[in-house]
Amino acid sequence: DGGITQSPKYLFRKEGQNVTLSCEQNLNHDAMYWYRQDPGQGLRLIYYSQIVNDFQKGDIAEGYSVSREKKESFPLTVTSAQKNPTAFYLCASSIGTSEYYNEQFFGPGTRLTVL
Amino acid sequence: EDKVVQSPLSLVVHEGDTVTLNCSYEVTNFRSLLWYKQEKKAPTFLFMLTSSGIEKKSGRLSSILDKKELFSILNITATQTGDSAVYLCAVEAYNFNKFYFGSGTKLNVKP
Repeated sequence: DGGITQSPKYLFRKEGQNVTLSCEQNLNHDAMYWYRQDPGQGLRLIYYSQIVNDFQKGDIAEGYSVSREKKESFPLTVTSAQKNPTAFYLCASSIGTSEYYNEQFFGPGTRLTVL
Repeated sequence: EDKVVQSPLSLVVHEGDTVTLNCSYEVTNFRSLLWYKQEKKAPTFLFMLTSSGIEKKSGRLSSILDKKELFSILNITATQTGDSAVYLCAVEAYNFNKFYFGSGTKLNVKP
C-alpha cells in the first residue's frame, strides 16, 4: 500500500518541551510539505522540501524546524519557541516535478495539544 | 502577495439542495487549481483544473476554472448528509512546487 503515514495520531506536550512529529511516505515523491491547521481555518504552510537535504521556510516557520535526510522522511520538530503550538498538523507529498501537474497526497495528521 | 480566497466560509443546506462553492485566487506563476474534501482528518483529492472552461465531473460534483477572471466554482447537486465536510481550494504555483490554500468552506447538509 502506497501512502503517507504520520505518527503519533495524538500528542500531548508540556510547555517548554520540544516534540518531533513523524512523516513517512513510500510514494517515491520528491516534494514534501508540513501544514498547520487551526479550527475554522485552512492550511498554512510551515516548511517544504523539494529534494533530499534541501528545504525552505513556508509562511509560518518560526518556532519549527525540519530535516530531510532521506527521501521518504520529513520530520517536523515543534520547539519551545513556538508560542501557540496546539493545532492539527498535516504532512503532504507530491511528485515535485515541473514536467507533470502535481497533486498533493496527505497523511492522516497529528493533533498536538500543549498542556 | 499570493492568496486564495474561498466563499462562503460556511453553508447550511438541506438534503437535495444544490450548492455552489467559490474560490478566487491571485497567485503568480499559476499552474493548477485543486479542490479537496476534508471530513475529519486528511483532505482527499476531488479535482485538478488546469484549463479554462473545461468542466470536470465526478458523480454529483463538478468544477470549472476561469483563468481570465481568476476563479473556480465547485458545484454539488442533490446534496446528501455525507457531503458535509470542509471543502478546500488550493492553487499550485510553478515556482518551487508551492501550494496556496484557501481557508475552506464548511458545508453542513441537514437531513
